[in-house]
Amino acid sequence: GAGVSQSPRYKVAKRGQDVALRCDPISGHVSLFWYQQALGQGPEFLTYFQNEAQLDKSGLPSDRFFAERPEGSVSTLKIQRTQQEDSAVYLCASSSHRDYLYNEQFFGPGTRLTVL
Amino acid sequence: SQQGEEDPQALSIQEGENATMNCSYKTSINNLQWYRQNSGRGLVHLILIRSNEREKHSGRLRVTLDTSKKSSSLLITASRAADTASYFCATWDNQGGKLIFGQGTELSVKP
Repeated sequence: GAGVSQSPRYKVAKRGQDVALRCDPISGHVSLFWYQQALGQGPEFLTYFQNEAQLDKSGLPSDRFFAERPEGSVSTLKIQRTQQEDSAVYLCASSSHRDYLYNEQFFGPGTRLTVL
Repeated sequence: SQQGEEDPQALSIQEGENATMNCSYKTSINNLQWYRQNSGRGLVHLILIRSNEREKHSGRLRVTLDTSKKSSSLLITASRAADTASYFCATWDNQGGKLIFGQGTELSVKP
């Protein structure tokens, strides 16, 4: 497929569990972004990669959140010791150029995380 | 934190009518983008307008930008039931270098 894919699409975790969310960006896209979207809200920026370098992680809400993109393609967002307030849709987006400021972002379908 | 506010929060119209959504933002921006989100297709980019542009068209979409008022509007003409979705504006702020979304307008187009 040509789009951004994410897996799993749905994840239910018990409070305290660790989860890992995967993002496959569009092939060749340099920039990759993670967002968190709470119900009824717009997406909120979490972190940004340019190739394998994590250039901005200012949006990560706590040190329980960790993201990586070791080979500059697939990315994983990991949440340790999940809490109920982590329940949200996690969106991944990619963009084609280094000069990302001027480009649209292509979003994946998201992973809906529910923490019980 | 979200960049700004969208108005109205919800809008219900009949097919064939025009829909106008407004977005206000707080900081100096490089560009402003509009996205649509529905359950079927996720979040999809609609149109981008740069800070030195005042108006842009794409098909049935018309976007205006007023940087002096820090506001933008999205007009959808001759709406269709398939336009039913949430619409978000998003801005690249010049300081943070990240895309910041508004809270969205939920549009319902009734056939």
